[in-house]
Amino acid sequence: SQQGEEDPQALSIQEGENATMNCSYKTSINNLQWYRQNSGRGLVHLILIRSNEREKHSGRLRVTLDTSKKSSSLLITASRAADTASYFCATDEGGSTLGRLYFGRGTQLTVWP
Amino acid sequence: DAGVIQSPRHEVTEMGQEVTLRCKPISGHDYLFWYRQTMMRGLELLIYFNNNVPIDDSGMPEDRFSAKMPNASFSTLKIQPSEPRDSAVYFCASSVVTRAYSNQPQHFGDGTRLSIL
Repeated sequence: SQQGEEDPQALSIQEGENATMNCSYKTSINNLQWYRQNSGRGLVHLILIRSNEREKHSGRLRVTLDTSKKSSSLLITASRAADTASYFCATDEGGSTLGRLYFGRGTQLTVWP
Repeated sequence: DAGVIQSPRHEVTEMGQEVTLRCKPISGHDYLFWYRQTMMRGLELLIYFNNNVPIDDSGMPEDRFSAKMPNASFSTLKIQPSEPRDSAVYFCASSVVTRAYSNQPQHFGDGTRLSIL
């Protein structure tokens, strides 16, 4: 499968703690993207990291990319109850699949107040 | 700016009936995607279009499923006849590809929750 795989499948933490989610993939990529899905809603784009980048920040989000290991991580610092959602990584492989993203199964994050 | 608009938000119908899901992508986006999400199978890509032309429909589960994009601002996904195993949340998403041939983010609608009884 060309899909990314998130790890862990589920994560439960207290408010104020950091949450780290990992994504592994199998092929070379143009970029990797992270999305959030709140219950009953569509996926929302969080951050995009290009294959020539190693780290990127956006507010409380920090994404790393290691193309040699074909892996990425998403760190949410100082988590809040409102961060409770499913988080998905998606890879852009370009080439003949230009336009398409390959989504993983997601990590369900629960943040307890 | 308006996002991707899907209708209806919920659909409950009996097996054997025809179901039509609708999507209006973001203006200016040249890619449109139809996904299906279930607990068992996660998020599955059914079909996607570029400039209204279907590019890959290999994810369409059966001939009962069909999708059209008659113009840049409208697409439909039709199931005929519907079966209980088609029950899922169906998402439409749109995006644009930059001149650097790298995908920009996909923008999702809030989905249609379909229940086939």
